[in-house]
Amino acid sequence: DTGVSQDPRHKITKRGQNVTFRCDPISEHNRLYWYRQTLGQGPEFLTYFQNEAQLEKSRLLSDRFSAERPKGSFSTLEIQRTEQGDSAMYLCASSLVFLAGGRNEQFFGPGTRLTVL
Amino acid sequence: SQQGEEDPQALSIQEGENATMNCSYKTSINNLQWYRQNSGRGLVHLILIRSNEREKHSGRLRVTLDTSKKSSSLLITASRAADTASYFCATDPTGGFKTIFGAGTRLFVKA
Repeated sequence: DTGVSQDPRHKITKRGQNVTFRCDPISEHNRLYWYRQTLGQGPEFLTYFQNEAQLEKSRLLSDRFSAERPKGSFSTLEIQRTEQGDSAMYLCASSLVFLAGGRNEQFFGPGTRLTVL
Repeated sequence: SQQGEEDPQALSIQEGENATMNCSYKTSINNLQWYRQNSGRGLVHLILIRSNEREKHSGRLRVTLDTSKKSSSLLITASRAADTASYFCATDPTGGFKTIFGAGTRLFVKA
Protein backbone atom coordinates (compact mmCIF):
# COMPACT_ATOMS: atom_id res chain seq x y z
CA ASP A 1 0.00 0.00 0.00
CA THR A 2 1.62 3.25 -1.11
CA GLY A 3 -0.89 5.62 0.45
CA VAL A 4 -0.55 7.76 3.55
CA SER A 5 -0.55 5.73 6.73
CA GLN A 6 -1.08 6.81 10.31
CA ASP A 7 -0.40 5.05 13.56
CA PRO A 8 -2.13 4.36 15.84
CA ARG A 9 -5.64 4.45 14.41
CA HIS A 10 -7.16 4.89 17.84
CA LYS A 11 -5.72 6.18 21.10
CA ILE A 12 -7.44 6.43 24.45
CA THR A 13 -5.55 8.24 27.15
CA LYS A 14 -6.11 9.84 30.50
CA ARG A 15 -5.99 13.58 30.94
CA GLY A 16 -2.48 14.77 31.63
CA GLN A 17 -0.72 12.02 29.71
CA ASN A 18 1.46 12.58 26.66
CA VAL A 19 0.63 11.01 23.31
CA THR A 20 2.54 10.74 20.05
CA PHE A 21 1.14 10.01 16.63
CA ARG A 22 3.03 9.00 13.52
CA CYS A 23 2.37 9.72 9.88
CA ASP A 24 4.08 8.09 6.92
CA PRO A 25 3.38 10.11 3.77
CA ILE A 26 3.57 8.94 0.19
CA SER A 27 7.29 8.47 -0.30
CA GLU A 28 8.01 11.04 -3.00
CA HIS A 29 5.79 13.76 -1.52
CA ASN A 30 7.57 16.85 -0.25
CA ARG A 31 4.71 18.47 1.66
CA LEU A 32 3.14 17.09 4.81
CA TYR A 33 0.19 18.52 6.72
CA TRP A 34 -1.40 17.85 10.08
CA TYR A 35 -5.06 18.65 10.68
CA ARG A 36 -7.47 18.22 13.55
CA GLN A 37 -11.09 17.39 12.93
CA THR A 38 -13.92 17.37 15.43
CA LEU A 39 -17.35 15.89 14.89
CA GLY A 40 -19.38 17.73 12.30
CA GLN A 41 -16.57 20.07 11.32
CA GLY A 42 -14.06 20.26 8.53
CA PRO A 43 -10.36 19.64 9.11
CA GLU A 44 -8.57 22.48 10.87
CA PHE A 45 -5.02 23.19 9.79
CA LEU A 46 -2.40 22.57 12.49
CA THR A 47 0.97 22.66 10.78
CA TYR A 48 2.78 22.15 7.51
CA PHE A 49 6.20 20.83 6.48
CA GLN A 50 8.05 21.38 3.25
CA ASN A 51 10.49 18.49 3.30
CA GLU A 52 11.93 18.65 6.84
CA ALA A 53 11.22 22.35 7.42
CA GLN A 54 8.17 23.32 9.44
CA LEU A 55 7.00 26.41 7.59
CA GLU A 56 3.75 27.27 9.24
CA LYS A 57 1.96 26.57 12.49
CA SER A 58 -1.60 27.38 13.39
CA ARG A 59 -2.43 29.35 16.48
CA LEU A 60 -4.40 26.23 17.40
CA LEU A 61 -1.06 24.54 17.98
CA SER A 62 -0.43 25.51 21.57
CA ASP A 63 2.83 24.97 23.41
CA ARG A 64 1.62 21.51 24.32
CA PHE A 65 1.70 20.46 20.66
CA SER A 66 4.87 19.77 18.75
CA ALA A 67 5.48 18.23 15.35
CA GLU A 68 8.61 17.00 13.67
CA ARG A 69 9.63 15.65 10.33
CA PRO A 70 13.28 14.83 11.00
CA LYS A 71 14.43 13.53 7.65
CA GLY A 72 11.72 14.89 5.44
CA SER A 73 9.97 11.54 5.42
CA PHE A 74 7.69 10.45 8.28
CA SER A 75 6.33 12.92 10.80
CA THR A 76 5.31 12.78 14.44
CA LEU A 77 2.80 14.89 16.31
CA GLU A 78 3.12 14.96 20.09
CA ILE A 79 0.58 16.33 22.51
CA GLN A 80 1.82 16.87 26.04
CA ARG A 81 -0.40 17.02 29.12
CA THR A 82 -3.48 16.08 27.15
CA GLU A 83 -6.79 17.76 27.93
CA GLN A 84 -10.31 16.57 27.20
CA GLY A 85 -10.59 19.28 24.57
CA ASP A 86 -7.84 17.56 22.61
CA SER A 87 -10.22 14.70 21.78
CA ALA A 88 -10.54 14.71 18.03
CA MET A 89 -9.49 12.98 14.84
CA TYR A 90 -5.94 13.92 13.84
CA LEU A 91 -5.41 13.72 10.11
CA CYS A 92 -2.19 13.72 8.15
CA ALA A 93 -1.94 14.52 4.46
CA SER A 94 0.85 14.73 1.94
CA SER A 95 1.28 16.28 -1.48
CA LEU A 96 3.86 16.87 -4.16
CA VAL A 97 4.25 20.50 -5.12
CA PHE A 98 7.26 22.05 -6.81
CA LEU A 99 6.19 25.63 -7.23
CA ALA A 100 4.52 28.03 -4.86
CA GLY A 101 0.88 28.16 -5.78
CA GLY A 102 1.11 24.87 -7.63
CA ARG A 103 -1.47 22.12 -7.70
CA ASN A 104 -1.74 20.96 -4.11
CA GLU A 105 -3.80 17.79 -4.27
CA GLN A 106 -3.49 16.31 -0.85
CA PHE A 107 -3.68 12.63 -0.05
CA PHE A 108 -5.02 11.92 3.39
CA GLY A 109 -4.33 9.14 5.81
CA PRO A 110 -7.11 7.39 7.71
CA GLY A 111 -6.53 9.49 10.81
CA THR A 112 -5.83 8.83 14.47
CA ARG A 113 -8.84 9.16 16.71
CA LEU A 114 -7.82 10.47 20.11
CA THR A 115 -10.06 10.17 23.15
CA VAL A 116 -8.94 11.89 26.33
CA LEU A 117 -10.75 10.67 29.42
CA SER B 1 -11.34 30.48 11.86
CA GLN B 2 -12.14 28.45 8.77
CA GLN B 3 -12.33 30.37 5.57
CA GLY B 4 -14.56 28.18 3.44
CA GLU B 5 -18.22 27.83 4.14
CA GLU B 6 -20.40 25.30 2.45
CA ASP B 7 -24.07 25.59 1.75
CA PRO B 8 -26.28 23.75 2.48
CA GLN B 9 -25.03 22.12 5.65
CA ALA B 10 -27.05 19.01 4.83
CA LEU B 11 -28.76 17.72 1.72
CA SER B 12 -31.03 14.73 1.25
CA ILE B 13 -32.01 13.59 -2.25
CA GLN B 14 -33.27 10.56 -4.10
CA GLU B 15 -30.98 8.35 -6.11
CA GLY B 16 -30.74 9.63 -9.66
CA GLU B 17 -31.24 13.28 -8.75
CA ASN B 18 -28.53 15.90 -9.01
CA ALA B 19 -26.87 17.37 -5.93
CA THR B 20 -25.47 20.88 -5.83
CA MET B 21 -23.24 22.18 -3.06
CA ASN B 22 -21.87 25.65 -2.76
CA CYS B 23 -18.74 27.03 -1.15
CA SER B 24 -17.76 30.59 -0.33
CA TYR B 25 -14.37 31.87 0.76
CA LYS B 26 -12.85 35.15 1.84
CA THR B 27 -9.43 35.84 0.33
CA SER B 28 -7.68 35.41 -2.98
CA ILE B 29 -6.66 31.85 -3.72
CA ASN B 30 -4.31 29.82 -5.88
CA ASN B 31 -6.77 26.98 -6.27
CA LEU B 32 -9.87 25.43 -4.76
CA GLN B 33 -10.42 21.76 -4.17
CA TRP B 34 -13.30 19.52 -3.25
CA TYR B 35 -12.89 16.48 -1.03
CA ARG B 36 -15.22 13.70 0.06
CA GLN B 37 -15.22 12.00 3.44
CA ASN B 38 -17.11 8.88 4.29
CA SER B 39 -18.14 8.55 7.90
CA GLY B 40 -15.16 8.17 10.23
CA ARG B 41 -12.59 7.96 7.45
CA GLY B 42 -9.94 10.11 5.82
CA LEU B 43 -10.66 12.55 3.05
CA VAL B 44 -10.49 11.67 -0.63
CA HIS B 45 -9.54 14.28 -3.19
CA LEU B 46 -12.19 14.75 -5.88
CA ILE B 47 -11.24 17.66 -8.08
CA LEU B 48 -9.04 20.77 -8.14
CA ILE B 49 -9.79 23.96 -10.00
CA ARG B 50 -7.17 26.67 -10.49
CA SER B 51 -7.94 30.31 -9.87
CA ASN B 52 -7.74 31.05 -13.60
CA GLU B 53 -10.25 28.33 -14.48
CA ARG B 54 -14.01 28.71 -14.43
CA GLU B 55 -15.29 25.18 -14.84
CA LYS B 56 -13.97 21.62 -14.64
CA HIS B 57 -15.52 18.24 -15.15
CA SER B 58 -14.58 14.83 -13.86
CA GLY B 59 -16.98 11.99 -14.53
CA ARG B 60 -20.26 12.88 -12.84
CA LEU B 61 -18.69 15.88 -11.10
CA ARG B 62 -18.82 19.45 -12.32
CA VAL B 63 -17.11 22.26 -10.47
CA THR B 64 -17.44 25.95 -11.15
CA LEU B 65 -15.40 28.80 -9.72
CA ASP B 66 -16.31 32.47 -9.64
CA THR B 67 -13.36 34.38 -8.22
CA SER B 68 -15.21 37.70 -8.41
CA LYS B 69 -17.82 36.34 -6.02
CA LYS B 70 -15.32 34.15 -4.16
CA SER B 71 -17.55 31.13 -4.57
CA SER B 72 -17.56 27.67 -6.05
CA SER B 73 -20.13 24.99 -6.64
CA LEU B 74 -19.93 21.23 -6.90
CA LEU B 75 -22.56 19.42 -8.92
CA ILE B 76 -22.93 15.67 -8.71
CA THR B 77 -25.16 14.37 -11.48
CA ALA B 78 -27.23 11.20 -11.38
CA SER B 79 -26.43 10.62 -7.72
CA ARG B 80 -26.05 7.15 -6.27
CA ALA B 81 -26.45 5.83 -2.75
CA ALA B 82 -22.67 5.41 -2.67
CA ASP B 83 -22.31 9.19 -3.00
CA THR B 84 -23.59 9.53 0.56
CA ALA B 85 -20.78 11.33 2.38
CA SER B 86 -19.59 14.70 3.59
CA TYR B 87 -18.18 17.04 0.98
CA PHE B 88 -15.67 19.75 1.80
CA CYS B 89 -14.24 22.59 -0.18
CA ALA B 90 -10.68 23.60 0.56
CA THR B 91 -8.74 26.65 -0.54
CA ASP B 92 -5.04 27.42 -0.84
CA PRO B 93 -4.84 31.16 -0.17
CA THR B 94 -2.40 33.18 -2.21
CA GLY B 95 0.88 33.72 -0.42
CA GLY B 96 0.25 31.17 2.29
CA PHE B 97 0.99 27.54 2.98
CA LYS B 98 -2.08 26.42 4.84
CA THR B 99 -5.07 24.80 3.23
CA ILE B 100 -8.36 25.96 4.69
CA PHE B 101 -11.39 23.69 4.79
CA GLY B 102 -15.01 24.56 5.25
CA ALA B 103 -17.41 22.83 7.62
CA GLY B 104 -18.77 20.62 4.84
CA THR B 105 -22.06 19.59 3.32
CA ARG B 106 -23.50 16.29 4.44
CA LEU B 107 -25.12 14.56 1.49
CA PHE B 108 -27.52 11.70 1.94
CA VAL B 109 -28.68 9.86 -1.18
CA LYS B 110 -31.69 7.66 -0.64
CA ALA B 111 -31.94 4.49 -2.69
